[in-house]
Amino acid sequence: QKEVEQNSGPLSVPEGAIASLNCTYSDRGSQSFFWYRQYSGKSPELIMFIYSNGDKEDGRFTAQLNKASQYVSLLIRDSQPSDSATYLCAVIPGGFGNEKLTFGTGTRLTIIP
Amino acid sequence: DAGITQSPRYKITETGRQVTLMCHQTWSHSYMFWYRQDLGHGLRLIYYSAAADITDKGEVPDGYVVSRSKTENFPLTLESATRSQTSVYFCATGTFEQYFGPGTRLTVT
Repeated sequence: QKEVEQNSGPLSVPEGAIASLNCTYSDRGSQSFFWYRQYSGKSPELIMFIYSNGDKEDGRFTAQLNKASQYVSLLIRDSQPSDSATYLCAVIPGGFGNEKLTFGTGTRLTIIP
Repeated sequence: DAGITQSPRYKITETGRQVTLMCHQTWSHSYMFWYRQDLGHGLRLIYYSAAADITDKGEVPDGYVVSRSKTENFPLTLESATRSQTSVYFCATGTFEQYFGPGTRLTVT
């Protein structure tokens, strides 16, 4: 079992709708969770991080964490064509004091105008 | 002030040659990381460094060597390049939240 799993997509969402991206992780001791956006041919760009159970909102983005289910998600409201990218979920396994990120393989999101 | 830079951005080399990829950061972050990104595998950690003169292996270290004599620089050397090392290489820096350089696209022929 991979440590961090994502549906590779592609996920197609109409412009203006909510895009929902999901990620599961295997290490129950994980404490830190990150979402990166990567445009084609570019480097990953950090868009959100979450440490506590529940929701964390930043503009059109909401990260959701459920440690009991080992599940983290990213919601993008009012999706725009510029949101079309690959979204990478990353986890720091094994609790605090471990600085190494483990990445999922990413979900490719396409926003349809 | 570019934050984190990588050079070269593109490199073509032959099998068996030594290649060094450079990474430089201006933030004075303690931690620096090298990843490779391949289709189907995502980002995989090659080596990381917690501080100058402190380095450790990641998930895929074989065939690579790193050094870190100064906080701001973290070069990655392929001692004898192989075709399987054709990839996009990213350097990153930061604690918990990592920030990535623009990447180096390496082709080994």
